[in-house]
Amino acid sequence: RKEVEQDPGPFNVPEGATVAFNCTYSNSASQSFFWYRQDCRKEPKLLMSVYSSGNEDGRFTAQLNRASQYISLLIRDSKLSDSATYLCVTLAGSARQLTFGSGTQLTVLP
Amino acid sequence: NAGVTQTPKFRVLKTGQSMTLLCAQDMNHEYMYWYRQDPGMGLRLIHYSVGEGTTAKGEVPDGYNVSRLKKQNFLLGLESAAPSQTSVYFCASSYSITGGTQYFGPGTRLLVL
Repeated sequence: RKEVEQDPGPFNVPEGATVAFNCTYSNSASQSFFWYRQDCRKEPKLLMSVYSSGNEDGRFTAQLNRASQYISLLIRDSKLSDSATYLCVTLAGSARQLTFGSGTQLTVLP
Repeated sequence: NAGVTQTPKFRVLKTGQSMTLLCAQDMNHEYMYWYRQDPGMGLRLIHYSVGEGTTAKGEVPDGYNVSRLKKQNFLLGLESAAPSQTSVYFCASSYSITGGTQYFGPGTRLLVL
């Protein structure tokens, strides 16, 4: 079983749609949680951190449920530029090691 | 600032050949990491370093060696390449405190025939 599991998609949605991605993690010692974004054939980049109380960054909302070991990302009013692969990421260990999910592919259609 | 750079960008090797991938960062980061990314597998940590002169094994270290002789550079070596090492290799760096914000290089695409 993978330590961080995501639905691989692909998710194909029209512009303006709301889309939600889910992720589960198995390491209960995970200390921090993140969503990274990776464009096709590019490097991953941090999208946002995920806090227990939930947090929002513009059209993006992230939620964390530590009891269920579940992380979510909601994108509202999707833009064409949101098309990418979204990586669910956990952090653990003294060396601040990141564990990546396989990613969920999103395509926003005109 | 160039951020994190990687050389080469693309390389084709024959089975048994050796090569070194170079990662350089100009952000004075303490921590550096090497990952490989394969379809359906996500990024997996190969080796990492928490400071100059230190290295440690990650999730998939077999077949690779690393060195961190200078703070700004992290080298990944393949002594005897195998087709299973065909992958995209990413280097990343971070401050020791912020941890979760890792800055990635553009990647090296390696094909082993």
